[in-house]
Amino acid sequence: DTAVSQTPKYLVTQMGNDKSIKCEQNLGHDTMYWYKQDSKKFLKIMFSYNNKELIINETVPNRFSPKSPDKAHLNLHINSLELGDSAVYFCASSLGPSGANTDTQYFGPGTRLTVL
Amino acid sequence: TQLLEQSPQFLSIQEGENLTVYCNSSSVFSSLQWYRQEPGEGPVLLVTVVTGGEVKKLKRLTFQFGDARKDSSLHITAAQPGDTGLYLCAGVGGSYIPTFGRGTSLIVHP
Repeated sequence: DTAVSQTPKYLVTQMGNDKSIKCEQNLGHDTMYWYKQDSKKFLKIMFSYNNKELIINETVPNRFSPKSPDKAHLNLHINSLELGDSAVYFCASSLGPSGANTDTQYFGPGTRLTVL
Repeated sequence: TQLLEQSPQFLSIQEGENLTVYCNSSSVFSSLQWYRQEPGEGPVLLVTVVTGGEVKKLKRLTFQFGDARKDSSLHITAAQPGDTGLYLCAGVGGSYIPTFGRGTSLIVHP
């Protein structure tokens, strides 16, 4: 069984469209994350949720809106897609902030988003 | 914002060679992690170091955390083609926001 899964794996869309990426973890973790990895492989955190509550919200355009219906799911909705949004988006999960500085983050396989 | 500088950015070596990857910062981290990422996949944790001066070994990989907890190194002995991948260091500070370095892309040729 896949620990952290994301759908879709690839997403090609036109500028201006709205799209969503879904993430699910079956590890029983309390904390989930969204990261963006650009073309130079730089991995930057976007959001983090702990038990369905937003705890980290880095400087991300408000076109990006995370939603956590339960602690096993964290979806990412992106409005009005722009060329610069093209990247690989990774979902990750960890036990939680109680042991945060040594927590292992388990990453999903990534969603490669291409905006044309 | 805590920044982590990784070097070198790219490394292309022959099987059997040794190599060292460095991760440096001006900030102090409560812990530092090393991940390896293969093409088309997400990063996978290799090790977490917590104590200043700590050294951890994982088969042919040796990880060291600096005494001041601002820097770390990853040394691979007798590299093999299976070591090929992107190596990322990530520091965690008091805010629990992980900061990743820009990665070292390693290619080991048979």
